[in-house]
Amino acid sequence: EVQLVESGGGLIQPGGSLRLSCAASGFGVNDNYLNWVRQSPGKGVEWVSIIYGGGSTQYADSVKGRFTISRDSSKNTVFLQMNSLRAEDTAVYYCVRALTGIYFQNWGHGTLVTVSS
Amino acid sequence: EIVMTQSPATLSVSPGEGATLSCRASQSLSGNLAWYQQKPGQAPRLLIYGASTRASGISARFSGSGSGTEFTLTLSSLQSEDFAVYYCQQYGSWPLTFGGGTKVEIK
Repeated sequence: EVQLVESGGGLIQPGGSLRLSCAASGFGVNDNYLNWVRQSPGKGVEWVSIIYGGGSTQYADSVKGRFTISRDSSKNTVFLQMNSLRAEDTAVYYCVRALTGIYFQNWGHGTLVTVSS
Repeated sequence: EIVMTQSPATLSVSPGEGATLSCRASQSLSGNLAWYQQKPGQAPRLLIYGASTRASGISARFSGSGSGTEFTLTLSSLQSEDFAVYYCQQYGSWPLTFGGGTKVEIK
């Protein structure tokens, strides 16, 4: 059974950093497209980043230069390093496995990130 | 960036009735469109991909159609578990984008 379990969310001050983790089971992170997708009341559902099976990455313009997606195949885990956080980054962050064509097949339960002083 | 516009924002439907949800793209997607269902406190769930292909385990009550810039999700004979928010998402162009959602509520 495919499972994705996020962790690492919390309350952080503007300008701070946070690292989200996504532990995968039922498949290998090296063999799939893993994404971070966030959802906030104000901005709806927003794709954030993807790491491909070959290791290449892409980012939404809103996070480019501030967020970094990576993975550790030995732990079958994907990470999202978030730096220079802003209030508008406040959202529930989902780890999502995508299939070819980049539609989102399997979702984690999400982890809440709140950026506030 | 392709902008996805969903209508209506809210749809009030009686159980057992059908519903039609619309999604319009600002540019042609060919058939690169997916639909998701989200219930309160849960992550979205994939319903349809390729504009009209049901995902594994999805009821035949859900059907998708359309191409280019106009897409439709049809819900037939609504059951209690179908009342939720529905999102469309395009994957024809980067960045991937979602519509604002349609809430299907009990009338």
